[in-house]
This record gives sequence, structure tokens and C-alpha cells, in this order.
Amino acid sequence: QVQLQESGPGLVKPSETLSLICTVFGGSISSYQWSWIRQSPGKGLEWIGYIHDSGITNYSPSLKSRVTISVDTSKNEFSLTLNSVTAADTAVYYCARDSGDLDVWGKGTTVTVSS
Amino acid sequence: EIVMTQSPATLSVSPGERATLSCRASQSISRNLAWYQQKPGQAPRLLIYGAFTRATGFPVRFSGSGSGTDFTLTILYLQSEDSAVYYCQQYDNWPRTFGQGTRLEI
Repeated sequence: QVQLQESGPGLVKPSETLSLICTVFGGSISSYQWSWIRQSPGKGLEWIGYIHDSGITNYSPSLKSRVTISVDTSKNEFSLTLNSVTAADTAVYYCARDSGDLDVWGKGTTVTVSS
Repeated sequence: EIVMTQSPATLSVSPGERATLSCRASQSISRNLAWYQQKPGQAPRLLIYGAFTRATGFPVRFSGSGSGTDFTLTILYLQSEDSAVYYCQQYDNWPRTFGQGTRLEI
């Protein structure tokens, strides 16, 4: 049974870079696609971006200028980088396996943007 | 970008009754629609995919229907454990987009 686990700093200063890793357990990262999703406090779900195991990416237009998603098959993990963060980027960040639908989710990691 | 609109925002239903949740897409998405259940403090959980296929672990009380722009999630014989926020999500076009959610109170 595939499981996902997000990791990274829980606190990031404004204007700095948010970096998170999603590690895939119980299966190979290859032959699947993966997405990042976030949820601001008390709000709904916002899709951030996607990476195909070939390395092809697709990003939310509203975040595209600040987001990079990459994959490291040797470590069975993929990552999210979000530049120039503001308080509006405070959220729970989830990684998920993407088959169009998102069928496996990590438990999420809370990131707070504050000085 | 395809806009997904869910209604109602909040639905209060008594145990044993039926709940009907709606999701509308701003353009046709065929049957490329998923539903998720999210309970407080938990990650969303895939409930329905392909508009009507139930994901593993959910009872037959949960069913999805619709195609094109209008979709429905129906939950029969409501139980207290069904209290959650339900989200729809389209995967027909990029970017993937979610509805704003329906909070179901039992």
C-alpha cells in the first residue's frame, strides 16, 4: 500500500523560499504522476502543480511564476519549491498521487509564513 | 480555467435520511470528475472517480452521477460518521480545479 509523507520547515519568513519534500513509501515513484495541493486555514483545496514521472510539469496559473516541482527517482521522492512567499502562502500542504483523480494523499504538513 | 461550483455550501440532514450534493462545471468535463471527503484534521480522501465509480472502502450508500457539466453526490441512510466537507474536482483540463466544498452536518 503506497503511502506519502510530506516533510519540510514549518515556518518560513516572508520573501523567502518554501521547500517541501514528499517521500513515497510502499511503491515506486516511477510510472505514476504526482501533485501538490494546499489548503489555507479554514479554506478549500487549491491545486498547486503536477509532475509526470518523465519530468513534465504543469502548474497553477496563479502560482506558476513562483513554483517548481521536481522528482528524484533515486530517492523515491518529489519536491515543491515556492519562491517569494507571503502570509497568503500559509497553509497545509499535501502531496498526492495523481491519476487525474488524487487517489493517495499524504497527511499534510503545515507551513506558516511569518517573521 | 474551469470553475467548479458546489451547492449548497452547508447541508444539515438528520440521521437515516438522504443527502444530495451538487457540483457544476463551467464547461463540459465529460465524466472526468472526482469527489473527496474531508474530516476535520485529516487529509481529503478520494470517494468517487470517473463521476460514478466508488473508491475502495466506501459503502454503497455513496453514489455519484452526472456527466458534462452537472454532477451529483448522493449519500443514503446518513450516519453521524458522514459528517465532513465534500469537494468535487475536475481533471478534464489543466489546471485541475476544485469546488469550494459542501459541509455536511448530520
